Amino acid sequence: ELKVEQNPLFLSMQEGKNYTIYCNYSTTSDRLYWYRQDPGKSLESLFVLLSNGAVKQEGRLMASLDTKARLSTLHITAAVHDLSATYFCAVDTPNNRKLIWGLGTSLAVNP
Amino acid sequence: GAVVSQHPSWVICKSGTSVKIECRSLDFQATTMFWYRQFPKQSLMLMATSNEGSKATYEQGVEKDKFLINHASLTLSTLTVTSAHPEDSSFYICSATHPTQYFGPGTRLLVL
Repeated sequence: ELKVEQNPLFLSMQEGKNYTIYCNYSTTSDRLYWYRQDPGKSLESLFVLLSNGAVKQEGRLMASLDTKARLSTLHITAAVHDLSATYFCAVDTPNNRKLIWGLGTSLAVNP
Repeated sequence: GAVVSQHPSWVICKSGTSVKIECRSLDFQATTMFWYRQFPKQSLMLMATSNEGSKATYEQGVEKDKFLINHASLTLSTLTVTSAHPEDSSFYICSATHPTQYFGPGTRLLVL
Protein backbone atom coordinates (compact mmCIF):
# COMPACT_ATOMS: atom_id res chain seq x y z
CA GLU A 1 0.00 0.00 0.00
CA LEU A 2 1.33 3.39 -0.98
CA LYS A 3 1.77 5.74 1.96
CA VAL A 4 3.01 9.29 2.11
CA GLU A 5 4.54 10.81 5.21
CA GLN A 6 5.30 14.44 5.69
CA ASN A 7 7.33 16.02 8.43
CA PRO A 8 7.15 18.14 10.27
CA LEU A 9 3.38 18.53 10.50
CA PHE A 10 3.72 21.96 12.05
CA LEU A 11 6.48 24.46 11.52
CA SER A 12 6.83 27.84 13.12
CA MET A 13 9.31 29.85 11.11
CA GLN A 14 11.13 33.08 11.69
CA GLU A 15 11.22 35.58 8.90
CA GLY A 16 14.42 35.48 6.95
CA LYS A 17 15.45 31.95 7.93
CA ASN A 18 15.62 28.78 5.84
CA TYR A 19 13.58 25.64 6.41
CA THR A 20 12.93 22.26 4.81
CA ILE A 21 9.84 20.06 4.69
CA TYR A 22 10.27 16.36 3.98
CA CYS A 23 8.00 14.00 2.11
CA ASN A 24 8.64 10.26 2.16
CA TYR A 25 6.62 7.73 0.18
CA SER A 26 6.55 4.00 0.48
CA THR A 27 6.58 2.55 -3.05
CA THR A 28 7.47 3.50 -6.60
CA SER A 29 5.51 6.36 -8.06
CA ASP A 30 5.55 8.21 -11.38
CA ARG A 31 5.01 11.70 -10.11
CA LEU A 32 5.26 13.71 -6.93
CA TYR A 33 3.32 16.89 -6.38
CA TRP A 34 3.53 19.79 -3.98
CA TYR A 35 0.46 21.88 -3.29
CA ARG A 36 -0.26 24.90 -1.18
CA GLN A 37 -3.56 25.48 0.63
CA ASP A 38 -4.56 28.74 2.28
CA PRO A 39 -7.23 28.64 5.00
CA GLY A 40 -10.68 28.17 3.52
CA LYS A 41 -9.32 27.80 0.02
CA SER A 42 -8.70 24.97 -2.40
CA LEU A 43 -5.34 23.67 -3.54
CA GLU A 44 -2.79 25.57 -5.56
CA SER A 45 -0.31 23.52 -7.54
CA LEU A 46 3.30 24.40 -6.77
CA PHE A 47 5.46 21.73 -8.36
CA VAL A 48 5.25 18.48 -10.28
CA LEU A 49 8.38 16.34 -10.06
CA LEU A 50 8.73 13.58 -12.60
CA SER A 51 12.17 12.06 -12.40
CA ASN A 52 15.03 11.26 -10.10
CA GLY A 53 17.11 14.32 -9.37
CA ALA A 54 14.40 16.72 -10.53
CA VAL A 55 14.70 20.15 -8.98
CA LYS A 56 12.24 22.97 -9.49
CA GLN A 57 12.27 26.46 -8.06
CA GLU A 58 9.70 29.19 -7.84
CA GLY A 59 10.54 32.26 -5.83
CA ARG A 60 11.58 31.27 -2.32
CA LEU A 61 10.47 27.65 -2.76
CA MET A 62 12.57 24.87 -4.20
CA ALA A 63 11.46 21.25 -4.52
CA SER A 64 13.61 18.24 -5.24
CA LEU A 65 13.04 14.55 -5.76
CA ASP A 66 15.18 11.51 -4.96
CA THR A 67 13.31 8.48 -6.29
CA LYS A 68 15.87 6.04 -4.95
CA ALA A 69 15.36 7.30 -1.42
CA ARG A 70 11.64 7.89 -2.13
CA LEU A 71 12.08 11.35 -0.70
CA SER A 72 11.12 14.83 -1.78
CA THR A 73 12.06 18.02 -0.03
CA LEU A 74 10.52 21.46 -0.16
CA HIS A 75 13.08 24.05 0.80
CA ILE A 76 12.08 27.52 1.91
CA THR A 77 14.63 30.28 1.57
CA ALA A 78 14.40 33.41 3.72
CA ALA A 79 10.86 32.82 4.89
CA VAL A 80 8.35 35.64 4.60
CA HIS A 81 4.87 35.99 6.06
CA ASP A 82 3.19 35.35 2.69
CA LEU A 83 4.41 31.76 2.81
CA SER A 84 2.21 30.96 5.80
CA ALA A 85 -0.11 28.17 4.61
CA THR A 86 -0.48 24.40 4.65
CA TYR A 87 1.69 22.50 2.20
CA PHE A 88 0.77 19.04 0.96
CA CYS A 89 2.78 16.53 -0.97
CA ALA A 90 1.06 13.81 -2.96
CA VAL A 91 2.17 10.95 -5.15
CA ASP A 92 0.56 9.42 -8.19
CA THR A 93 -0.52 5.79 -8.24
CA PRO A 94 0.72 4.32 -11.52
CA ASN A 95 -2.42 2.58 -12.73
CA ASN A 96 -5.38 4.74 -11.93
CA ARG A 97 -3.84 8.15 -11.32
CA LYS A 98 -5.29 8.50 -7.83
CA LEU A 99 -3.25 10.76 -5.62
CA ILE A 100 -2.08 9.57 -2.24
CA TRP A 101 -1.75 12.50 0.13
CA GLY A 102 0.46 13.40 3.00
CA LEU A 103 -1.13 14.88 6.09
CA GLY A 104 0.12 18.34 5.26
CA THR A 105 2.60 20.67 6.92
CA SER A 106 1.17 23.78 8.49
CA LEU A 107 3.63 26.64 8.23
CA ALA A 108 3.45 29.85 10.21
CA VAL A 109 5.96 32.59 9.60
CA ASN A 110 6.48 34.89 12.55
CA PRO A 111 8.18 38.27 12.51
CA GLY B 1 -4.12 27.00 -18.33
CA ALA B 2 -6.48 24.30 -17.15
CA VAL B 3 -9.33 25.71 -15.11
CA VAL B 4 -11.81 23.77 -13.01
CA SER B 5 -14.89 25.40 -11.54
CA GLN B 6 -17.30 24.28 -8.86
CA HIS B 7 -20.79 25.41 -8.12
CA PRO B 8 -22.00 26.41 -5.64
CA SER B 9 -19.05 27.69 -3.67
CA TRP B 10 -20.99 27.29 -0.46
CA VAL B 11 -24.35 25.91 0.53
CA ILE B 12 -26.38 25.71 3.72
CA CYS B 13 -29.20 23.22 3.86
CA LYS B 14 -31.54 21.56 6.30
CA SER B 15 -30.98 18.04 7.50
CA GLY B 16 -32.69 15.50 5.24
CA THR B 17 -32.45 17.49 2.03
CA SER B 18 -30.27 16.68 -0.98
CA VAL B 19 -27.55 18.91 -2.34
CA LYS B 20 -25.99 18.81 -5.80
CA ILE B 21 -22.47 20.09 -6.44
CA GLU B 22 -21.21 20.63 -9.98
CA CYS B 23 -17.63 20.34 -11.16
CA ARG B 24 -16.74 21.65 -14.60
CA SER B 25 -13.55 21.67 -16.60
CA LEU B 26 -13.75 24.99 -18.43
CA ASP B 27 -11.09 24.77 -21.12
CA PHE B 28 -10.36 21.08 -21.49
CA GLN B 29 -12.10 17.74 -21.57
CA ALA B 30 -11.65 15.34 -18.69
CA THR B 31 -12.53 11.69 -18.88
CA THR B 32 -11.64 11.35 -15.22
CA MET B 33 -12.57 13.59 -12.34
CA PHE B 34 -12.05 13.03 -8.64
CA TRP B 35 -14.14 14.03 -5.66
CA TYR B 36 -12.56 14.74 -2.30
CA ARG B 37 -13.78 15.88 1.06
CA GLN B 38 -11.74 17.68 3.63
CA PHE B 39 -12.49 18.25 7.29
CA PRO B 40 -10.93 21.21 9.13
CA LYS B 41 -7.18 20.90 9.59
CA GLN B 42 -7.08 17.51 7.92
CA SER B 43 -5.75 16.21 4.65
CA LEU B 44 -7.85 15.48 1.60
CA MET B 45 -9.80 12.27 1.56
CA LEU B 46 -10.60 10.79 -1.83
CA MET B 47 -14.27 9.85 -2.04
CA ALA B 48 -14.58 8.55 -5.57
CA THR B 49 -13.23 8.55 -9.09
CA SER B 50 -15.73 9.81 -11.62
CA ASN B 51 -15.43 8.30 -15.09
CA GLU B 52 -17.21 9.82 -18.09
CA GLY B 53 -19.82 7.46 -19.44
CA SER B 54 -19.46 4.84 -16.76
CA LYS B 55 -20.06 4.28 -13.08
CA ALA B 56 -17.99 6.02 -10.50
CA THR B 57 -15.46 4.08 -8.46
CA TYR B 58 -15.95 4.68 -4.77
CA GLU B 59 -13.30 4.45 -2.09
CA GLN B 60 -13.74 2.03 0.74
CA GLY B 61 -16.12 3.32 3.36
CA VAL B 62 -17.87 5.85 1.10
CA GLU B 63 -21.58 5.15 0.72
CA LYS B 64 -22.53 4.94 -2.93
CA ASP B 65 -26.20 5.56 -2.28
CA LYS B 66 -25.52 8.63 -0.23
CA PHE B 67 -22.96 10.30 -2.48
CA LEU B 68 -24.28 9.99 -6.03
CA ILE B 69 -21.84 10.82 -8.78
CA ASN B 70 -22.78 11.43 -12.39
CA HIS B 71 -20.19 12.18 -15.07
CA ALA B 72 -22.54 12.94 -17.93
CA SER B 73 -20.12 14.72 -20.24
CA LEU B 74 -16.42 15.28 -20.70
CA THR B 75 -16.64 18.63 -18.93
CA LEU B 76 -19.12 18.01 -16.12
CA SER B 77 -19.30 15.79 -13.09
CA THR B 78 -21.87 16.18 -10.33
CA LEU B 79 -21.88 15.00 -6.73
CA THR B 80 -25.23 14.76 -5.01
CA VAL B 81 -25.28 14.40 -1.25
CA THR B 82 -28.60 12.70 -0.56
CA SER B 83 -30.48 13.10 2.69
CA ALA B 84 -27.72 15.26 4.09
CA HIS B 85 -27.02 15.22 7.81
CA PRO B 86 -24.85 17.50 9.97
CA GLU B 87 -21.97 15.01 9.82
CA ASP B 88 -21.86 15.54 6.04
CA SER B 89 -20.84 19.15 6.61
CA SER B 90 -17.43 19.48 5.03
CA PHE B 91 -15.38 21.08 2.28
CA TYR B 92 -15.86 19.19 -0.99
CA ILE B 93 -13.24 19.58 -3.69
CA CYS B 94 -13.21 18.16 -7.20
CA SER B 95 -10.31 17.75 -9.56
CA ALA B 96 -10.00 16.96 -13.23
CA THR B 97 -7.14 15.18 -14.91
CA HIS B 98 -5.32 16.95 -17.77
CA PRO B 99 -3.08 14.93 -17.45
CA THR B 100 -2.17 15.99 -13.92
CA GLN B 101 -4.93 16.92 -11.52
CA TYR B 102 -6.31 20.43 -11.52
CA PHE B 103 -8.46 21.36 -8.56
CA GLY B 104 -11.70 23.26 -8.32
CA PRO B 105 -12.14 26.03 -5.75
CA GLY B 106 -14.16 23.81 -3.45
CA THR B 107 -17.70 23.80 -2.09
CA ARG B 108 -18.34 24.34 1.58
CA LEU B 109 -21.42 22.45 2.76
CA LEU B 110 -23.10 23.16 6.06
CA VAL B 111 -26.00 20.95 7.06
CA LEU B 112 -28.14 22.29 9.88
